[in-house]
Amino acid sequence: NAGVTQTPKFQVLKTGQSMTLQCAQDMNHEYMSWYRQDPGMGLRLIHYSVGAGITDQGEVPNGYNVSRSTTEDFPLRLLSAAPSQTSVYFCASSLLAAANTQYFGPGTRLTVL
Amino acid sequence: AQKITQTQPGMFVQEKEAVTLDCTYDTSDQSYGLFWYKQPSSGEMIFLIYQGSYDEQNATEGRYSLNFQKARKSANLVISASQLGDSAMYFCAMSYNAGGTSYGKLTFGQGTILTVHP
Repeated sequence: NAGVTQTPKFQVLKTGQSMTLQCAQDMNHEYMSWYRQDPGMGLRLIHYSVGAGITDQGEVPNGYNVSRSTTEDFPLRLLSAAPSQTSVYFCASSLLAAANTQYFGPGTRLTVL
Repeated sequence: AQKITQTQPGMFVQEKEAVTLDCTYDTSDQSYGLFWYKQPSSGEMIFLIYQGSYDEQNATEGRYSLNFQKARKSANLVISASQLGDSAMYFCAMSYNAGGTSYGKLTFGQGTILTVHP
């Protein structure tokens, strides 16, 4: 049981490049979400999903796309990276019936030059 | 819209003493959840404690307790017998509940850095 895994751990992009941050969980959780954490701030919700095929926007969705083709995976796509997207990205998952326990991944530190 | 406010950017405590980290919240929802997370310098998010808005008893988890005052909209974290390993950033967060389901959409405060002195 690996919990929530995220790859890569670190990434440097140039402005305008695209990339996908990977998130996977092996706990059969219906709920998955992506957050970003900017320096000195709390986490802000980007997108979330309540099950395969169902996604919705969070507080700061602009510049990001998501899809949920399987229960296990919830990738986050940066369409055209901007310096404002420099941040640490966290993926989280939980059972819908027990969302009082959220499991967070270790995070991906992204720098956009 | 929900909002979480943590007014203490930094707190200091002596080892073995208790410390209270403040958290106030604002919501028009009747059903919600309140969380505390710890983020050490290594960066991971560690779940500490949860309180549901309809829970009558304050939540406790080992050395952590949540002082829930619904009328004041506060959810302070109390850490008893502080340890050096408690030095970290602490975040208060809130979820929206509806129809008996606690949705995991969390709104976070800005955090409080706790430093435990030997």
